[in-house]
Amino acid sequence: GAVVSQHPSWVICKSGTSVKIECRSLDFQATTMFWYRQFPKQSLMLMATSNEGSKATYEQGVEKDKFLINHASLTLSTLTVTSAHPEDSSFYICSAPGTSGSLTDTQYFGPGTRLTVL
Amino acid sequence: DAKTTQPNSMESNEEEPVHLPCNHSTISGTDYIHWYRQLPSQGPEYVIHGLTSNVNNRMASLAIAEDRKSSTLILHRATLRDAAVYYCILRRSGGSNYKLTFGKGTLLTVNP
Repeated sequence: GAVVSQHPSWVICKSGTSVKIECRSLDFQATTMFWYRQFPKQSLMLMATSNEGSKATYEQGVEKDKFLINHASLTLSTLTVTSAHPEDSSFYICSAPGTSGSLTDTQYFGPGTRLTVL
Repeated sequence: DAKTTQPNSMESNEEEPVHLPCNHSTISGTDYIHWYRQLPSQGPEYVIHGLTSNVNNRMASLAIAEDRKSSTLILHRATLRDAAVYYCILRRSGGSNYKLTFGKGTLLTVNP
């Protein structure tokens, strides 16, 4: 099956610094990718839709200037958490849908990135 | 998007069948029923999906009620590796049909 990777798998940073998380589709192309955030004991919350070659679409309540998304190629999307603060500590997960465009498409998820902001 | 309701948690014994219910009383005619699961500290993974008929694959079976207002994910012989949060999700046509909206899911505990 299709594989989505994320890098890094975990990161610890100081408050005020920026952190970049990469999401790659390893054996298929993805014009669309999704970024989720998950706090402990909670469900996944969709943050934004990353579109190759165009601006990302953010969900209501997600600060686009804080969570910068770049989808530079058909296999790579990046999420940069700018000026990170302890409340941004979370598990960030990306996904990419299958390419047939139908409702039966499986979504392929990355393994997640654990961000801890000190 | 149509909402789904699942029990917060369920418990099973190893090698016994597990039936995970999901209610989706507001489902529309073109909504597909998808199931994903998330093992601890991992991203979710696809389990199974269906529209009207029951479905089987190597991981599980999906039983869909005749009125489609509920469905049941069946793990025929639970193993310790099946301990995870199971999410029942409806995918609606039109607009952002790639989106998956996750509810709280069911935390499945498998006892040895």
